[in-house]
Amino acid sequence: AQKVTQAQTEISVVEKEDVTLDCVYETRDTTYYLFWYKQPPSGELVFLIRRNSFDEQNEISGRYSWNFQKSTSSFNFTITASQVVDSAVYFCALTDSWGKLQFGAGTQVVVTP
Amino acid sequence: GAGVSQSPRYKVAKRGQDVALRCDPISGHVSLFWYQQALGQGPEFLTYFQNEAQLDKSGLPSDRFFAERPEGSVSTLKIQRTQQEDSAVYLCASSLVGGQGQRRQYFGPGTRLTVT
Repeated sequence: AQKVTQAQTEISVVEKEDVTLDCVYETRDTTYYLFWYKQPPSGELVFLIRRNSFDEQNEISGRYSWNFQKSTSSFNFTITASQVVDSAVYFCALTDSWGKLQFGAGTQVVVTP
Repeated sequence: GAGVSQSPRYKVAKRGQDVALRCDPISGHVSLFWYQQALGQGPEFLTYFQNEAQLDKSGLPSDRFFAERPEGSVSTLKIQRTQQEDSAVYLCASSLVGGQGQRRQYFGPGTRLTVT
């Protein structure tokens, strides 16, 4: 069975601080995909980033970056220089080859001016 | 350039009533997923369609829940004899192709169901 754990329930930062969100996953699949989604107060889930299980290269995309470590089954996500608009719930998710998403419980990020 | 739409956005039902929730996926998208999101929780998978075929319904919590996608586009999630524990946001998502886990899913705004 697949499982995603987001240990941080809520993170509060002041604008321009960096925010790192932790995600640990469990799966028996050898091929899988990891995602981060954002859910603002409006409720709609917004896709942020995706990584596959055979590519551990970490990347930066604008203010977003991620650290994928297969050895520790972690897929952490960082927002650099946070802004008030980044306030939302962030979900880490895992899929198998068919696409069924297994979400973590989410981390509420609160950015204050 | 419409995204995934869902209706109604809000539904209040009395316990025991039947409800029907509609999802209009992005045109041409093969895969369609339904998720249930309880308050303060992450979404939980309910069921998956590839075109009109329901390939996975392992997440449906009881036989009161039924989903269909008869023509491979619009989908309806029906809940019979609603119970208070059915209160949640029901999210629909679609993706362009089927059977490819790496494909991003596009989510609708959800239907918030409150059972009183």
